[in-house]
Amino acid sequence: SQQGEEDPQALSIQEGENATMNCSYKTSINNLQWYRQNSGRGLVHLILIRSNEREKHSGRLRVTLDTSKKSSSLLITASRAADTASYFCATVPGGSNYKLTFGKGTLLTVNP
Amino acid sequence: EADIYQTPRYLVIGTGKKITLECSQTMGHDKMYWYQQDPGMELHLIHYSYGVNSTEKGDLSSESTVSRIRTEHFPLTLESARPSHTSQYLCASSPGGSNQPQHFGDGTRLSIL
Repeated sequence: SQQGEEDPQALSIQEGENATMNCSYKTSINNLQWYRQNSGRGLVHLILIRSNEREKHSGRLRVTLDTSKKSSSLLITASRAADTASYFCATVPGGSNYKLTFGKGTLLTVNP
Repeated sequence: EADIYQTPRYLVIGTGKKITLECSQTMGHDKMYWYQQDPGMELHLIHYSYGVNSTEKGDLSSESTVSRIRTEHFPLTLESARPSHTSQYLCASSPGGSNQPQHFGDGTRLSIL
């Protein structure tokens, strides 16, 4: 069964604006990861946040995790046209160290 | 980007053919994975391996089979392709230890006529 579910399914913004994507999941997790997928390509890992962490930053990316609400958010600040891609959250369920369960993703379009 | 390679990138082939999708990684990762992804949809794990001679079926039932006789190589085989096998197949690997990200290849887009 699907573990992660992203919201919104699609997001269109202008260059320079911030983009926020949300992910909800159903069961306990070891960690939650965010990936980016450009059209026709494989996934690229962005950030991994462990279940005992609340916030992580990487460049223009900020990820938060609320285990009490079973939710996470990915914020991309000062977006660029090159950020146009699909963004997926993936969870590693508690008791499993390696198997990822992906959501359906958010398609982000950044207009120049 | 990660050193994980999939060939072919695109394959269009007729029903009933035997197909092998290749996946190789040069990072020495113990763990390797195959995912199936339909356009605009999530990835579904169909096979994984924790090391040489170790293979397991994933969460999504698949008629494909895999083998892992070398650490760097994890091919996926369809003995008799059908139109329902049309999809994108993504290979990934990760190092040992918990809390490690997966590294993905660019995928094989398979179309069965």
